[in-house]
Amino acid sequence: KQEVTQIPAALSVPEGENLVLNCSFTDSAIYNLQWFRQDPGKGLTSLLLIQSSQREQTSGRLNASLDKSSGRSTLYIAASQPGDSATYLCAVRVDRGSTLGRLYFGRGTQLTVWP
Amino acid sequence: ETGVTQTPRHLVMGMTNKKSLKCEQHLGHNAMYWYKQSAKKPLELMFVYSLEERVENNSVPSRFSPECPNSSHLFLHLHTLQPEDSALYLCASSQGILQGYGYTFGSGTRLTVV
Repeated sequence: KQEVTQIPAALSVPEGENLVLNCSFTDSAIYNLQWFRQDPGKGLTSLLLIQSSQREQTSGRLNASLDKSSGRSTLYIAASQPGDSATYLCAVRVDRGSTLGRLYFGRGTQLTVWP
Repeated sequence: ETGVTQTPRHLVMGMTNKKSLKCEQHLGHNAMYWYKQSAKKPLELMFVYSLEERVENNSVPSRFSPECPNSSHLFLHLHTLQPEDSALYLCASSQGILQGYGYTFGSGTRLTVV
């Protein structure tokens, strides 16, 4: 069974810092990996999607890398802002056997950026 | 709002009630999903529908009954729920279940069972 782990569980930083959020997964046979953002009590907003054949994806101040063979992904947030405060979730998509279409989620990293 | 719309946003129901959650996607996707998010737990897959057919039921109790009348709509019918079923229920869609497409989630329905 796929297990997804996110470190750290919580992070509190002053604005302007460059941040690193880590995600690891136990089964490297993934289709893709997706990073989401979740604001309190809200749904998930997709940030970046990395296919298994890709090494990284960038969107604005966000950059996500994927090392499939070692089962790791990293989300970099440059020049953090208070508006970045949210929970960041990592999810991998496994497509085999009885797990068609399923995403396996980590527990998330709760980020607080203070002014 | 995203391309996936869920209603209602909040629902409080008694254990003997029957209610339904609704999800609608406007993205032309062929696969739809129900996920459950409980406090302090990772998101858990409940059901997967592909082209209106259920392809996975992740050992969900029968008090949760999904329905997918067409590729744009997904329902979750609820009856005789327990307080531990209180959670955020999230609907998602993707272009397919076999391709490497990403998911789009709705904003969720916050369910409280009293």
